[in-house]
Amino acid sequence: QKEVEQDPGPLSVPEGAIVSLNCTYSNSAFQYFMWYRQYSRKGPELLMYTYSSGNKEDGRFTAQVDKSSKYISLFIRDSQPSDSATYLCAMKANAGKSTFGDGTTLTVKP
Amino acid sequence: KAGVTQTPRYLIKTRGQQVTLSCSPISGHRSVSWYQQTPGQGLQFLFEYFSETQRNKGNFPGRFSGRQFSNSRSEMNVSTLELGDSALYLCASSSTGNSEKLFFGSGTQLSVL
Repeated sequence: QKEVEQDPGPLSVPEGAIVSLNCTYSNSAFQYFMWYRQYSRKGPELLMYTYSSGNKEDGRFTAQVDKSSKYISLFIRDSQPSDSATYLCAMKANAGKSTFGDGTTLTVKP
Repeated sequence: KAGVTQTPRYLIKTRGQQVTLSCSPISGHRSVSWYQQTPGQGLQFLFEYFSETQRNKGNFPGRFSGRQFSNSRSEMNVSTLELGDSALYLCASSSTGNSEKLFFGSGTQLSVL
């Protein structure tokens, strides 16, 4: 079983919809939770990161971490066609490497 | 500030050959990590270098090796290529080791025929 499991998708939504992307994990040592966005033929780009539990908001994006359930989410409000990409969750403990989910491909249709 | 630069962007090799990929991190960043990305396995960690020392290593065979130079540039080498080595190889830099904030290059797409 993988340490990080991500809802596989793909996900297709109309422009303006609220999108929910989710990951679960099994390693209790994870303290840092990140979301990356990857456009086609590009490397991942760090979108948001959160330390420990709680919510973090940045414009149309909200990241939520529930350590008791080992569950993290990324919400995108008022989704735009430019949000169409693959979204990767990633996690790490205090020391060591980042472990990535397999990614969810999102398409936002105009 | 220039981003992470990876060369070459595309490579086609045949089984049994070896290949060297190059990564120039963001200026001032001392840590470089390498990841392999495939549709079936996602992003798999290869290794991380910090100030010319390997700090972490993933579960890849010894055919995969790397090094970091004094200017923080890094190279990754794969010897005796196999068909299964076909993947996008991504390099990421960070200002410190074991950082949660990784800055990725666009990758090198390796095809092994």
